[in-house]
Amino acid sequence: DTEVTQTPKHLVMGMTNKKSLKCEQHMGHRAMYWYKQKAKKPPELMFVYSYEKLSINESVPSRFSPECPNSSLLNLHLHALQPEDSALYLCASSQDGVGGSYEQYFGPGTRLTVT
Amino acid sequence: AQTVTQSQPEMSVQEAETVTLSCTYDTSENNYYLFWYKQPPSRQMILVIRQEAYKQQNATENRFSVNFQKAAKSFSLKISDSQLGDTAMYFCAFAAPGGATNKLIFGTGTLLAVQP
Repeated sequence: DTEVTQTPKHLVMGMTNKKSLKCEQHMGHRAMYWYKQKAKKPPELMFVYSYEKLSINESVPSRFSPECPNSSLLNLHLHALQPEDSALYLCASSQDGVGGSYEQYFGPGTRLTVT
Repeated sequence: AQTVTQSQPEMSVQEAETVTLSCTYDTSENNYYLFWYKQPPSRQMILVIRQEAYKQQNATENRFSVNFQKAAKSFSLKISDSQLGDTAMYFCAFAAPGGATNKLIFGTGTLLAVQP
């Protein structure tokens, strides 16, 4: 079962709101990722968690705060966002580690609109 | 630093015909992985095909096959018998083993339209 799920599918929030995006995988993968994607552009890596620890932060503004409660779950907490943060937010997971297959499996994404 | 280049922003093909999408990359690594991902208008990114650099044999998955030229650093995707459902953005991606976590380096994508 190669499935990554994300909720919600759509989210509209004001610049003063606080909201969270959720991601879940049950493939036993040990690495999870957050990407931001603008229309007709490739995904841009934001954060990587490896074995539940933050291993990569691609200089993302602090208004985005990731959290990995356990090996299957990944959250992205949003606060005081700007209109330019409107985008598709993708979660992905991979097996990770030496001997891993290195391919990443993506969720369907959350379409975020900041008003 | 690794880079991935897709020189065809958009392509069009008639249903049932064959189309080839181009991808070139630059790396000093000898061991790495290459991928093609498909992202249909419904937006979920799907892995289409994977190639390990140490394997000389080109990967094949049903109607999808690659032409991997390691010396030329080229990794093209051929779609045979194109179907309307193949309409999507296609991204070429590169990953090099190293450390505990891989990073995917994406190309800019090719928007493929399959015409009836």
